Amino acid sequence: KAGVTQTPRYLIKTRGQQVTLSCSPISGHRSVSWYQQTPGQGLQFLFEYFSETQRNKGNFPGRFSGRQFSNSRSEMNVSTLELGDSALYLCASSFQGREYEQYFGPGTRLTVT
Amino acid sequence: QQPVQSPQAVILREGEDAVINCSSSKALYSVHWYRQKHGEAPVFLMILLKGGEQKGHDKISASFNEKKQQSSLYLTASQLSYSGTYFCGTVHMDSNYQLIWGAGTKLIIKP
Repeated sequence: KAGVTQTPRYLIKTRGQQVTLSCSPISGHRSVSWYQQTPGQGLQFLFEYFSETQRNKGNFPGRFSGRQFSNSRSEMNVSTLELGDSALYLCASSFQGREYEQYFGPGTRLTVT
Repeated sequence: QQPVQSPQAVILREGEDAVINCSSSKALYSVHWYRQKHGEAPVFLMILLKGGEQKGHDKISASFNEKKQQSSLYLTASQLSYSGTYFCGTVHMDSNYQLIWGAGTKLIIKP
């Protein structure tokens, strides 16, 4: 069974630009969560989607948004990029009812210059 | 509130034991343990539920102390493959099942 895939794997953007990251969950998984990982802050929860609805949201500014499609694929968007947005963005999927067992994708490394 | 993990880092010789702690200031419903190897994504190890028993597989086990709102991860007779950063994630009783992650404990196993 294919794992969680994320595209692109690496991205370099300029401050003020916007970016869209994509995540394809494991087949059959309907819950998708997004995390930001930085050396100083560890894993920070962004949001979780289930059946195209945002179910949980972390403490991030409105510049961070996401959505989920009917096939469970998810995207996250960051507008007006700031230098501090440079991080590894991880997507994780899970089965309904087993959200504690999250399967992570390889992540997208975003660098903002 | 972010759970507190201790120690922040530990260096062991192969075959030695390690204990990693995860503490919360709020009542916990569950504690989740993951391991992330360098350059890889985190991988689920186990979950401990309120009222549940100690869990484990192979030489990695964990316990959940409800009185202290603390979980401990035990790695016995450590192997080189155990190296990585261990994260605990907590779900609080009053949350909407939102996982809050600790800062991680870096474990280095030397031959």
